Amino acid sequence: NAGVTQTPKFRVLKTGQSMTLLCAQDMNHEYMYWYRQDPGMGLRLIHYSVGEGTTAKGEVPDGYNVSRLKKQNFLLGLESAAPSQTSVYFCASSDGTSGLSPYEQFFGPGTRLTVL
Amino acid sequence: GQSLEQPSEVTAVEGAIVQINCTYQTSGFYGLSWYQQHDGGAPTFLSYNALDGLEETGRFSSFLSRSDSYGYLLLQELQMKDSASYFCAVRGLDSNYQLIWGAGTKLIIKP
Repeated sequence: NAGVTQTPKFRVLKTGQSMTLLCAQDMNHEYMYWYRQDPGMGLRLIHYSVGEGTTAKGEVPDGYNVSRLKKQNFLLGLESAAPSQTSVYFCASSDGTSGLSPYEQFFGPGTRLTVL
Repeated sequence: GQSLEQPSEVTAVEGAIVQINCTYQTSGFYGLSWYQQHDGGAPTFLSYNALDGLEETGRFSSFLSRSDSYGYLLLQELQMKDSASYFCAVRGLDSNYQLIWGAGTKLIIKP
């Protein structure tokens, strides 16, 4: 099993450009999350999904959109990138009924995004 | 509101024991989790306390006291590879499988 994968690993954008980050998980998890992590800081939740076809806003949703058309995929879109969106983006998934902790989240390797 | 507080940085010596504290303010939660993150890496799950008391997993132990709104992660026989950031997190009763995260504690280990 690959677990949680993210593409791309690195990306440099110019202000105003758009892009989509892809997250895929092969653990059949219901819940998926997008976080951003700025240097020396903790994780901040952008959007999350509790199942295929559902999405909800997290702590810092402005400037981002998401879609969960298939259970295994969770896409994060930036419509018009801004320098303030320079960050490391992590995708995570969880299954509320199994694992050491029913709320254990499994993380992808991250996408390092720079907006110039 | 709900918040978790951790020290920003802790320094310890290789082979020693270190405790990383986490205090929280929340109306209620299901349990306290701990994650480890090495520089440049992704967070990985370490432990979970659903009930008060001590949970031990090898060199790592985690403790929870709901009455004191307090938990800690205890690392024994420190190794250089334990140098990382450690995050505590809780799931609030009114959340939807969301975790509320602390800002993280950077553990620096000296030889």
